[in-house]
Amino acid sequence: DAGITQSPRHKVTETGTPVTLRCHQTENHRYMYWYRQDPGHGLRLIHYSYGVKDTDKGEVSDGYSVSRSKTEDFLLTLESATSSQTSVYFCAISESAAGQGRETQYFGPGTRLLVL
Amino acid sequence: SQQGEEDPQALSIQEGENATMNCSYKTSINNLQWYRQNSGRGLVHLILIRSNEREKHSGRLRVTLDTSKKSSSLLITASRAADTASYFCATPQGGSEKLVFGKGTKLTVNP
Repeated sequence: DAGITQSPRHKVTETGTPVTLRCHQTENHRYMYWYRQDPGHGLRLIHYSYGVKDTDKGEVSDGYSVSRSKTEDFLLTLESATSSQTSVYFCAISESAAGQGRETQYFGPGTRLLVL
Repeated sequence: SQQGEEDPQALSIQEGENATMNCSYKTSINNLQWYRQNSGRGLVHLILIRSNEREKHSGRLRVTLDTSKKSSSLLITASRAADTASYFCATPQGGSEKLVFGKGTKLTVNP
């Protein structure tokens, strides 16, 4: 596995509470991504980062924010968790953007989040 | 928005048989990737094929790309029980930096 870890791996929280998920890489890759995976929807991009302090929105960004203060860490925050955010969250990294030559993405093991 | 769509959604075969999965996409691309996901795990990159390539091999995997039909196929030959997984195609989204994944084909290989 590429050097990607996610924490926590499992979390149960209550509606309305803030939640932060962490993705840590040891590969020094420029690009980092947060996806959520739900039955019937496949993998959907939440936010991504193309460098320290450089982030952009994905397909399903509402209710989520991200921060990247160091190359190795990419944080995903659910500002006020809702039951619709119950999902499996995956972090991924890549050396370059899609279509730019080194775009293979390497995925972390995932975080299972349950919002009650 | 979904760029790639896999077909079939689910496939069940016997060990030793070949498995073929298809992916269709909507806009012009410069490459297409296939990933595998074992149950409860993250996705793992299998193979990337560029728009100027028609076929690519990696071990028991064979990928084809037909840009005129906007489609790709993944063939797994002599399948094994360990090939049981979901398989996803992914394409760059319209010149952006993002990769868009299909919903996947769930392959079951019965021993």
